[in-house]
Amino acid sequence: AQSVTQPDIHITVSEGASLELRCNYSYGATPYLFWYVQSPGQGLQLLLKYFSGDTLVQGIKGFEAEFKRSQSSFNLRKPSVHWSDAAEYFCIVDGGSQGNLIFGKGTKLSVKP
Amino acid sequence: NAGVTQTPKFQVLKTGQSMTLQCAQDMNHEYMSWYRQDPGMGLRLIHYSVGAGITDQGEVPNGYNVSRSTTEDFPLRLLSAAPSQTSVYFCASRLNLQGDTEAFFGQGTRLTVV
Repeated sequence: AQSVTQPDIHITVSEGASLELRCNYSYGATPYLFWYVQSPGQGLQLLLKYFSGDTLVQGIKGFEAEFKRSQSSFNLRKPSVHWSDAAEYFCIVDGGSQGNLIFGKGTKLSVKP
Repeated sequence: NAGVTQTPKFQVLKTGQSMTLQCAQDMNHEYMSWYRQDPGMGLRLIHYSVGAGITDQGEVPNGYNVSRSTTEDFPLRLLSAAPSQTSVYFCASRLNLQGDTEAFFGQGTRLTVV
C-alpha cells in the first residue's frame, strides 16, 4: 500500500539557519509528489511539486526539494529560515487512484529568534 | 477567482444534531473531496467526487454523507453528530483525476461536538 512517512513530528531551528524536512514514500510506480504548508488556522498551500524531469524542484518562498528514487525520498530544504516559515509541513503523494492524496502526518516547524 | 470556499469556519454541535458543511469552488474542477484533520494523523479522505452526480467513499466515510448536484458545490452532511467527529474539515478540489494536478484547499471548518 502507498504510504508517506515524515519521521520528524516537530523541528525547531533558529532564524537564518538552514532547514531540511524529511519525507519517505512507498509507491509502486513513479510517484507524483507534493509539499504543502499549513500556517496556523489556515488551509494548505502548495509549496512545490514533482511530476517528472529534473529531480531538484524549486518552489515558492525559497523552498526546494529533491526527488531521490533510490532512497524513496523527497526532502524539503531551505537555506535560510525566516520566522514566517513557522508552520506545519505536509509531504503528499498522489495515490494513483480516485485522485486520492496520501498525506504524511506532518512536521511542525518552530523558528527561534 | 475565490478558489475553494468553505463555510462555516467554526461550529459547535451537540451530540445527535445534524449539520451541513458547505464547499464551493469556482475553478470548474471535476474532482472535489473532503478530508478531516486530527492531531498527529495528517489528513484523511472522507468522501470524494469525480464529477456532478458521482460520489464515492474514502478512507473514513462512516457518519458522513455527500452529494454533488453541480460542478461547483460539494456539501458534507453529518446526520447525527458524535464526539468522535470533532475535527478540522477541509474541502479540496483538483482539475481532474490525473496525478499531475495540484489540489486547492479551503480554509477549513473547525467542528466541535459536545
